[in-house]
Amino acid sequence: GNSVTQMEGPVTLSEEAFLTINCTYTATGYPSLFWYVQYPGEGLQLLLKATKADDKGSNKGFEATYRKETTSFHLEKGSVQVSDSAVYFCALSDPDYGGSQGNLIFGKGTKLSVKP
Amino acid sequence: DSGVTQTPKHLITATGQRVTLRCSPRSGDLSVYWYQQSLDQGLQFLIQYYNGEERAKGNILERFSAQQFPDLHSELNLSSLELGDSALYFCASSVSGQGNNSPLHFGNGTRLTVT
Repeated sequence: GNSVTQMEGPVTLSEEAFLTINCTYTATGYPSLFWYVQYPGEGLQLLLKATKADDKGSNKGFEATYRKETTSFHLEKGSVQVSDSAVYFCALSDPDYGGSQGNLIFGKGTKLSVKP
Repeated sequence: DSGVTQTPKHLITATGQRVTLRCSPRSGDLSVYWYQQSLDQGLQFLIQYYNGEERAKGNILERFSAQQFPDLHSELNLSSLELGDSALYFCASSVSGQGNNSPLHFGNGTRLTVT
């Protein structure tokens, strides 16, 4: 079935370090791919998305490229800040629901802690 | 602030009881989605409503039901509660019911604890 696998955390980095959070997926059809971020005590917020192969999503210094050949959508940021500390979720739009952005399949989440 | 309002923020109840979680979508959004976030299962899609009608069903138990009212707010009803139902329940809304140009906006969730 359709699924998302992302690297387990927690991930602890120093400020200004390079960040990579790996995400791979299994899906029939052509899903859209997303990264959501959840700050403590809050709901999820869309960070970035890509709707087709080779698309690059980017926002707030984060970016991820939809790689169909490796079924991956790794999240990267060149220089993290303390304010980036949060839980990051990779997700895909379930092709069984016509690719609607609402019917998402999420990974387990990766907790990122950035130390000053 | 996403514009999605969920009440209550916290709910503590006993096994066998029934509770109702409420969600007001962002102004102008017609679709409401319910998700369950638990430690063991992660985030799971439960159900979607669009303009008052059920649009899609995910991993929702038969003990759970939902509805969307004419003013577009939604309620998730959980009955015969079990310890394993303890989780964070999120509501999300979007403008349309499908397609790739309608991102989700999440509320801050209702934390349900079943004792």
